[in-house]
Amino acid sequence: AQSVTQPDIHITVSEGASLELRCNYSYGATPYLFWYVQSPGQGLQLLLKYFSGDTLVQGIKGFEAEFKRSQSSFNLRKPSVHWSDAAEYFCAVGANDYKLSFGAGTTVTVRA
Amino acid sequence: NAGVTQTPKFRVLKTGQSMTLLCAQDMNHEYMYWYRQDPGMGLRLIHYSVGEGTTAKGEVPDGYNVSRLKKQNFLLGLESAAPSQTSVYFCASSYSGGVGQFFGPGTRLTVL
Repeated sequence: AQSVTQPDIHITVSEGASLELRCNYSYGATPYLFWYVQSPGQGLQLLLKYFSGDTLVQGIKGFEAEFKRSQSSFNLRKPSVHWSDAAEYFCAVGANDYKLSFGAGTTVTVRA
Repeated sequence: NAGVTQTPKFRVLKTGQSMTLLCAQDMNHEYMYWYRQDPGMGLRLIHYSVGEGTTAKGEVPDGYNVSRLKKQNFLLGLESAAPSQTSVYFCASSYSGGVGQFFGPGTRLTVL
């Protein structure tokens, strides 16, 4: 069975500082991996995805993520956070791009 | 393009009442999904469809039914609402092939 763990429920970061959100997955083969962002009261927006090729993937809004098979991880990073990055972030895993399993989410607060 | 739209945005039901949530997409996507989002649990897949006229159960299908009579529409029905179905419901759609899912803005449902 596939599953996702996001160990951090809530992260607070200063504007301009770097951000890293952790995602660990459980899946037997090479999975499809996604990061989504949800602003308050909104639906989810796809930040980036991985299913093959280069293990460092670039996404929208200056985010990147690195797939590490040996660690079963797909951590999300941003070098310099903006106040508009305050949101909830979800990691998702699947055998394909449907029937995804989502993590419980990490809420990011950005302080001035 | 409107993307993925959901109707209604908010709804309050009494226990035992029925209702239908409508999802529409104008991107000609084959796949459509219904999720529920509850605090601390991420998104859980209720039902999904891989094409017009087809539906399949997801992770938490009990108490819900769906129909996909037209490619662009995916309906979620609650025949006899229960307080445990109080949640935010998201519809999503996608092509096949790992491009990721596009989400609607959500419907907030309260069952009293």
